[in-house]
Amino acid sequence: EVQLVESGGGLVQPGGSLRLSCAASGLTFSSHWMHWVRQAPGKGLVWVSRINSDGSSTGYADSVKGRFTISRDSAKNTLYLEMNSLRAEDTALYYCARGSQDFWSGMYYFDYWGQGTLVTVSS
Amino acid sequence: DIHMTQSPSSLSASVGDRVTITCRASQSINNYLNWYQQKPGKAPKLLIYGVSTLQSGVPSRFSGSGSGTDFSLTISSLQPEDFATYYCQQSYSAPPYTFGQGTKLEIK
Repeated sequence: EVQLVESGGGLVQPGGSLRLSCAASGLTFSSHWMHWVRQAPGKGLVWVSRINSDGSSTGYADSVKGRFTISRDSAKNTLYLEMNSLRAEDTALYYCARGSQDFWSGMYYFDYWGQGTLVTVSS
Repeated sequence: DIHMTQSPSSLSASVGDRVTITCRASQSINNYLNWYQQKPGKAPKLLIYGVSTLQSGVPSRFSGSGSGTDFSLTISSLQPEDFATYYCQQSYSAPPYTFGQGTKLEIK
């Protein structure tokens, strides 16, 4: 069974830190770029960060750049998001997603998603 | 950054109706356009990638079209399980991999 399982969310005070994890099973992990996408309560999807297959290249949304760090451990099939200097506006459900590219067309999409882990930033 | 705008933001329709949701990019995205379906309390699900290619297992009543900056998702005959929120996403100029604001499809 294909699974991406996020964990590590919770209630944290403004300025605090959290580390999210995303454990992959039943799917190819090590050869795919991986992403974090968040969704504030009642709002739409917002891309947060991505990491390439060997972890040598990362990218971030401007809203989290300098505060969040994405990483991966291919031996453990696990993706991470280290979140520092958290703000109220970071409150959201955080999803991990696998990126895939169609061999023939080159089109890129997110084909597997976890169920999300909720981060609440509040005093 | 490329901005994605969906319309309408919400839509009421009946089972059996044909519905179309549109998505406009702020600049050409060379057909790097994906559609996702999200049901309440669930993770998004990939429906269509590259404008018109159905992901494995997605019913054929879903179709996508468009080019350049203007795209659409059509459901030919709505089924009860299709009532959900739909998002478009561009993956051409990334990061960021921007999503549209979503279209909530409700039962009339």
